Amino acid sequence: EAGVTQFPSHSVIEKGQTVTLRCDPISGHDNLYWYRRVMGKEIKFLLHFVKESKQDESGMPNNRFLAERTGGTYSTLKVQPAELEDSGVYFCASSQGSRQYFGPGTRLTVT
Amino acid sequence: SQKIEQNSEALNIQEGKTATLTCNYTNYSPAYLQWYRQDPGRGPVFLLLIRENEKEKRKERLKVTFDTTLKQSLFHITASQPADSATYLCALEVGAAGNKLTFGGGTRVLVKP
Repeated sequence: EAGVTQFPSHSVIEKGQTVTLRCDPISGHDNLYWYRRVMGKEIKFLLHFVKESKQDESGMPNNRFLAERTGGTYSTLKVQPAELEDSGVYFCASSQGSRQYFGPGTRLTVT
Repeated sequence: SQKIEQNSEALNIQEGKTATLTCNYTNYSPAYLQWYRQDPGRGPVFLLLIRENEKEKRKERLKVTFDTTLKQSLFHITASQPADSATYLCALEVGAAGNKLTFGGGTRVLVKP
């Protein structure tokens, strides 16, 4: 069974540019989550999809972040325009219950 | 305010000994508490889940306890091996299964041969 995959693994962009991160969950998992870890801090929740609907987006930092989940399959997280404080590792996870399966993360560096 | 605290200092331990990690929380009423392992450059990997009405859970060399009165979970790795070296994260889940996880900062464990 394929795990959660994320693309790209690394992204370096300049402040003000746009970046789109992609997550492919485990097939059949209705729940999809985005988390972020900024340097020196704990992993923090961003949002939660159930199928194609946003169940909880209480962790989204501001309106520069836009997440979508087309047809309840893969998800994208777009940051536009990127700011320096957006640098960090973005994790995607999927689940069918409590246990969450995490992807390897996308390391985003905003310069 | 809500807080989840794990030992921030790394835990250095000799191979074969038991490593004990602590997770304390305040102002949460978690339905589930989970422990994950994270290796450098990788995402967290699920290890164990314990429910609020359970006191202890075991899986192979791992043991987790959960005390909702003390608001504390202990995570034990018995007969530790160098391959157990990693960062261990505790995470709380409030409400229904499948809800978001709230993570502690993690404890780095280094098992020396």
